[in-house]
Amino acid sequence: QLQLQESGPGLVKPSETLSLTCTVSGVSIRNNTYYWGWIRQPPGKGLEWIASSYYSGTTYYNPSLKSRVAISVDTSRNQFSLKLNSVTAADTAIYYCVTLFSKSVNYFDPWGQGTLVTVSS
Amino acid sequence: DIQMTQSPSSLSASVGDRVTITCRASQSINSDLNWYQQKPGKAPRLLIYVASSLQTEVPSRFSGSGSGTDFTLTISSLQPEDSATYYCQQSDSVPYTFGQGTRLEIK
Repeated sequence: QLQLQESGPGLVKPSETLSLTCTVSGVSIRNNTYYWGWIRQPPGKGLEWIASSYYSGTTYYNPSLKSRVAISVDTSRNQFSLKLNSVTAADTAIYYCVTLFSKSVNYFDPWGQGTLVTVSS
Repeated sequence: DIQMTQSPSSLSASVGDRVTITCRASQSINSDLNWYQQKPGKAPRLLIYVASSLQTEVPSRFSGSGSGTDFTLTISSLQPEDSATYYCQQSDSVPYTFGQGTRLEIK
């Protein structure tokens, strides 16, 4: 059964870089059915797609964040990661790692449990 | 970007009621529309994909319809455990975008 688990600091200082890792279990990250990605949700607000990546390196970014974000896949560890630089309080959110099923249809399933990242000094 | 607009933003209904939530896209997205359910403190859960396909293990009281720009999520007979926020999401083009959510409360 495909499962995802986020890890990383829960507190980041303004202007610094937010770094999160997602560990994939139950399937190889090289599986050609899936893209791997991140979605965030500010407390009490809606959902924002951040980025998605294929294991081979093909990536897609939300233009609203593209200048500050990088997603990468580590096939040796079956993990993928998110880096968001120059963070501000507006980047405080629950960050979910997600699987983008992509085989003629696209949808996000499953999701990790989410990790709250607070940007504060 | 494709804008997704849900209505209503919130609603309250009784157990056994038929409930409908609407999602409108700012341009045609064919049938590339997914619905998610989110309960407090939990990650969203996929309910419906490509507008009308029920995800595995999702109760059959949930159904979806629509194409182009207008879509609906229907719960045929509301249950207490359906209290949640529901989101639509377009998968037609990047950036993938979500509706603002509809909060469903059980009376």
